[in-house]
Amino acid sequence: EVQLVESGGGLIQPGGSLRLSCAASGFIVSSTYMTWVRQAPGKGLEWLSVLFGGGDTHYADSVKGRFTISRDNSKNTLYLQMNSLRAEDTAIYYCANVIGKAGKTALGLYSSFYYIDVWGRGTTVTVSS
Amino acid sequence: DTQMTQSPSSVSASVGDRVIITCRASQDINNWLAWYQQKPGKAPQLLISPTPNLQNGFPSRFSGSESGTDFTLTISNLQPEDSATYFCQQANDFPLTFGGGTKVEI
Repeated sequence: EVQLVESGGGLIQPGGSLRLSCAASGFIVSSTYMTWVRQAPGKGLEWLSVLFGGGDTHYADSVKGRFTISRDNSKNTLYLQMNSLRAEDTAIYYCANVIGKAGKTALGLYSSFYYIDVWGRGTTVTVSS
Repeated sequence: DTQMTQSPSSVSASVGDRVIITCRASQDINNWLAWYQQKPGKAPQLLISPTPNLQNGFPSRFSGSESGTDFTLTISNLQPEDSATYFCQQANDFPLTFGGGTKVEI
């Protein structure tokens, strides 16, 4: 069974650091695209970061320079190191698997598209003094 | 970055009704759009991707369509278990961006 289990959330003071973990089972994190998405209380979904199978990364502007995505292949685990935390980082953090495929556009050209097919249950981060 | 504008933010409808949710992309996304369903306290679930491909496990009363940069999720014959928040996501490129969500109340 494909499963993602996040951990590491909690209450942290502004300016502090936290590392989230995401243990994967049923697939290999190094062979797919893994991502973090968060949801502030009562709000929508905000994509944060992606780690491609080859090791490249991409970040949302809101977390660039503060958050770092990484993985441990031996543990089949994804991480999100979060530094300089702010009150607005308070959210549920989801780890998820991204599917990247190629398809034909309306113009008959092929291009890639990306969607999330597996989500973890989430871990809650609260940034408050 | 592509902005996704979703409407309405909430809708209240009765069992058997048809509900239409729309998403507009700020630029061409090659019709690559996904829809997710999120129930309270749960993680989102992939509903449609790419439009109009319905994921296994969801009934055919859910359907997706597109016209240029405008996308529609239609729930026909609304059922009590469809009570949830629905999000669109442009699937064309990173950063992935989501619509603001539509809460469907029965």
